[in-house]
Amino acid sequence: DTAVSQTPKYLVTQMGNDKSIKCEQNLGHDTMYWYKQDSKKFLKIMFSYNNKELIINETVPNRFSPKSPDKAHLNLHINSLELGDSAVYFCASSREYSDNSPLHFGNGTRLTVT
Amino acid sequence: AQKVTQAQTEISVVEKEDVTLDCVYETRDTTYYLFWYKQPPSGELVFLIRRNSFDEQNEISGRYSWNFQKSTSSFNFTITASQVVDSAVYFCALSDLKAAGNKLTFGGGTRVLVKP
Repeated sequence: DTAVSQTPKYLVTQMGNDKSIKCEQNLGHDTMYWYKQDSKKFLKIMFSYNNKELIINETVPNRFSPKSPDKAHLNLHINSLELGDSAVYFCASSREYSDNSPLHFGNGTRLTVT
Repeated sequence: AQKVTQAQTEISVVEKEDVTLDCVYETRDTTYYLFWYKQPPSGELVFLIRRNSFDEQNEISGRYSWNFQKSTSSFNFTITASQVVDSAVYFCALSDLKAAGNKLTFGGGTRVLVKP
């Protein structure tokens, strides 16, 4: 009964390719997020959606496009992958975006761009 | 701008020793939330605690305890009688109540290695 699940767990691809990471939560939460963790373990928010509406869009290259078909899903599509995109990407959810409730994270997707 | 500093990058202890992780934050907000998350070697991020800026009471949960001092902008975390399973990277985070969305600013993390 995984609360926040993301697939795939590992993704190895070549520069220039387009790839997607899927995320689903079964907690009934309204808000979902994408965070990026770099090689030094630094975590930074990328996007936040509340009930399918974009709330936070940090200074992320427009090659990254999140899509939320419904409030239980938030997918991340990346175009024209670059070496610097190599990182671990975490999906997360919270009850709602305005109550500062704790984030529940998925297990991460390790993306390696060669 | 908000900032969270975890000055200790790595701490190594022997099992049963106590270990304290420092967290210092910067914010102009008067109301905010502070969090601690644990990232074990398996890689997932696990929520440990959330503390409101108005609640300065220390908290204890089993072998874990947290010391929040608003005067020094610190929210330190102590593991008492450490165990090998406590080996992980621990992150302190700050929530910006004024920004749209539930945006967390994370510190750089402290890696704790507990040796048997």
